Amino acid sequence: EVQLVESGGGVVQPGRSLRLSCTASGITFGDNAMSWVRQAPGKGLEWVGFIRNPRFGVTTEYAASVKDRFTISRDDSNSIAYLQMNNLKSEDTAVYYCTRDWNYYGSGSINWGQGTLVTVSS
Amino acid sequence: NFMLTQPHSVSESPGKTVTISCTRSSGSIASNYVQWYQQRPGSSPTTVIYEDNQRPSGVPDRFSGSIDRSSNSASLTISGLKTEDEADYFCQSYDKSNRWVFGGGTKLTVL
Repeated sequence: EVQLVESGGGVVQPGRSLRLSCTASGITFGDNAMSWVRQAPGKGLEWVGFIRNPRFGVTTEYAASVKDRFTISRDDSNSIAYLQMNNLKSEDTAVYYCTRDWNYYGSGSINWGQGTLVTVSS
Repeated sequence: NFMLTQPHSVSESPGKTVTISCTRSSGSIASNYVQWYQQRPGSSPTTVIYEDNQRPSGVPDRFSGSIDRSSNSASLTISGLKTEDEADYFCQSYDKSNRWVFGGGTKLTVL
């Protein structure tokens, strides 16, 4: 059974940093791209970014709203994906979901984690 | 970039069939694969369709996906509706740089 477990969420002040982790099990972690998707309270889904599998040199893509502030990385030996979030803003408040893509390139999700809540507030 | 437009809400009776549309504003719907996600109240999303019309293991064949070049839209069809299908449904595709775009979501009520 595929499991994706996010951790690291919490309350953080504007301008500060936070790192989320996503630990995967039940899959060959290195085969697929991994993505992060967020959902602000009462809103729809918003793509944050993804990291492709090592076959593509571990390249990344980001949404314009987080580019230059957020960084996605992966540790294939431990089956963990990370989302480093810097210079956080109130509009980054959301539940952050880790997802496993259905291919190696980053086209869409096939598995989702349970999500972790990030609240940016002074 | 393009937008994906979904109806805000749809409703249908148990046992019936419902179709949710997802219209792409520019560029061809056939250019990039479409995915569909189900989100029940209080739960994280799950994937019901990927690669336009593929079902992940465990998703019943009551769920099907298709694209229509003439209307430049994708559709999610759910047949034999059950009360457990009541949820928000989101379509998703991506642009030429692989940046993802989500539709605004459709609330399905099974009454």
